[in-house]
Amino acid sequence: DTEVTQTPKHLVMGMTNKKSLKCEQHMGHRAMYWYKQKAKKPPELMFVYSYEKLSINESVPSRFSPECPNSSLLNLHLHALQPEDSALYLCASSQGFDRSFNQPQHFGDGTRLSIL
Amino acid sequence: AQSVAQPEDQVNVAEGNPLTVKCTYSVSGNPYLFWYVQYPNRGLQFLLKYITGDNLVKGSYGFEAEFNKSQTSFHLKKPSALVSDSALYFCAVRDGSGGSYIPTFGRGTSLIVHP
Repeated sequence: DTEVTQTPKHLVMGMTNKKSLKCEQHMGHRAMYWYKQKAKKPPELMFVYSYEKLSINESVPSRFSPECPNSSLLNLHLHALQPEDSALYLCASSQGFDRSFNQPQHFGDGTRLSIL
Repeated sequence: AQSVAQPEDQVNVAEGNPLTVKCTYSVSGNPYLFWYVQYPNRGLQFLLKYITGDNLVKGSYGFEAEFNKSQTSFHLKKPSALVSDSALYFCAVRDGSGGSYIPTFGRGTSLIVHP
């Protein structure tokens, strides 16, 4: 069992739909991440939150909108997605977002997103 | 700048034989090195890390990795492979002396263990 929980596990949506992906962790981690992963490829960083504030946005299109309501939750709001956005979306967390921290990231099992 | 290379897309090994998955890195300062494993339809799972200290690092599921500073390598090893070890393996590096806070992942190596 993973300590980072993502819902839903699977999502199929049309290009005009609005949906949200959810991520939750109760390890007290203060850094949370969204990654996009295509099949048999490494995860690509999308966003990083540190202490509930957006720290990094890797030039992600505005059709993806992240939100961090509190230190345990991370959402990714989706709107008007394109077929090429179909992928596995992974959430991760780590203890901190600081040069002195050398701890690994903890990943959820992802949401497999299909855009029709 | 930081980068990591996994030169093999796929590694095939017979069950019971030793396995090695290769990783080389490049950082400006001290490397923080990680190995993750991804099973089908799962997220990445942390296996082991090297920060400082002994060059041989032991991790989960019987895996270990050897840090070699002169060769800038951090190869993942296991003395006796299991069919259940078949998965996608990612090496990651972070520059511990500054620079990016975010680890850089290698392209991944698919390990296939044959019965």
